Amino acid sequence: NAGVTQTPKFRVLKTGQSMTLLCAQDMNHEYMYWYRQDPGMGLRLIHYSVGEGTTAKGEVPDGYNVSRLKKQNFLLGLESAAPSQTSVYFCASRLTRVQETQYFGPGTRLLVL
Amino acid sequence: AQTVTQSQPEMSVQEAETVTLSCTYDTSESDYYLFWYKQPPSRQMILVIRQEAYKQQNATENRFSVNFQKAAKSFSLKISDSQLGDAAMYFCAYRDGGSQGNLIFGKGTKLSVKP
Repeated sequence: NAGVTQTPKFRVLKTGQSMTLLCAQDMNHEYMYWYRQDPGMGLRLIHYSVGEGTTAKGEVPDGYNVSRLKKQNFLLGLESAAPSQTSVYFCASRLTRVQETQYFGPGTRLLVL
Repeated sequence: AQTVTQSQPEMSVQEAETVTLSCTYDTSESDYYLFWYKQPPSRQMILVIRQEAYKQQNATENRFSVNFQKAAKSFSLKISDSQLGDAAMYFCAYRDGGSQGNLIFGKGTKLSVKP
């Protein structure tokens, strides 16, 4: 049982490049989330999903897209990376609506030059 | 909109002593949950403790306890018998009871533990 895993752990992009961050969970969780963490800030929600095939916007969705084609995977895409997207990205998952605890992945550090 | 405020950017405690981290929040909801997460240098987010708003009793987990003051919208974390491994960023977080589980985080408090 690996919990929540994220791929890659670190990536450097040039402005305008695209990439996809992968989040995978093996706990059969319904809910999944993508957050970003910037220096001096707490985590801010980018997008989330309440089940396979569903996604919704969070607090800071601009410049990102997501997909949840399989229940265990939640993908975060950057179509045209910008330096403002330099951040640490965390994925999290939660079992059901009534289960309070979110479990976090180890994070992906992204640097956009 | 709900907000979470941690007014102490940094705190320091002597090993084996007790330290309290502050958190206040703003909400008009009556049903909600509060959390403290620990983030060590590894960046992993680790749940320390959680509190349901409908429970009057303060949550405790070993050396960690909270002081939940619902009327004052205050949710402080007390760490007793501090250990070197407690050094980390600590984030307070809030979630509406009726929401999709989205957490709202404070900006964090960096805790240092002196040997």
